[in-house]
Amino acid sequence: QSVLTQPPSVSAAPGQKVTISCSGSSSNIENNFVSWYQQLPGTAPKLLIYDNNKRPSGIPDRFSGSKSGTSASLGITGLQTGDEADYYCGTWDGSLSAGVFGGGTKLTVL
Amino acid sequence: EVQLVESGGGLVQPGGSLRLSCAASGFTFNNHWMSWVRQAPGKGLEWVANIKQDGGEKFYVDSVKGRFTISRDNPKKSLFLQMNSLRAEDTAVYYCARDTYYFDFSGQYRRNDAFDIWGQGTVVTVSS
Repeated sequence: QSVLTQPPSVSAAPGQKVTISCSGSSSNIENNFVSWYQQLPGTAPKLLIYDNNKRPSGIPDRFSGSKSGTSASLGITGLQTGDEADYYCGTWDGSLSAGVFGGGTKLTVL
Repeated sequence: EVQLVESGGGLVQPGGSLRLSCAASGFTFNNHWMSWVRQAPGKGLEWVANIKQDGGEKFYVDSVKGRFTISRDNPKKSLFLQMNSLRAEDTAVYYCARDTYYFDFSGQYRRNDAFDIWGQGTVVTVSS
């Protein structure tokens, strides 16, 4: 059972938009930065979003992040078949004094 | 090129030990906290441990406390994870990852708690 809660799967058609949620608590999301990662099959995770809503260089603006209270979300617009991957949220938990991830969300582009 | 390369994984019996290494290149290693993250077969990411730039602070996930030790050698730009008393549930791909940072309004170093560079991973299998 992960500290952060994500839906196991989401799906949408090419060109559409999808949002992936990440729910936590005051000891993690509410008081710390949230990051998001994309993991394509058989590869290492890749940073998509940091500091709740910032994109590293090279990440297209189709990817966006937001945070409100104890929840965060990742938005992906203009879906492409290449976006099919597992997506994870992550942050620090001050009560645990540990890093924490969500359980991951599998995105299917129909 | 900014790069992290892990090594040291393998097959080990329950109760055994392994030492993982991560070689960093292409960036100022001692500017960054560093972390280990693992992923069991078919499962999600699990943060394992991190270490401050100078090695003076270390944090661990509860399930490895007392069994795993994270360390670093800054002149050699290397990160390590000593794993003792290994269990079947420690079977996973182990990734080394670079933590991001920023300087706050007072000029103090702060972690973003995001991992911007990852290695390719090294596989640890604990089985008899």
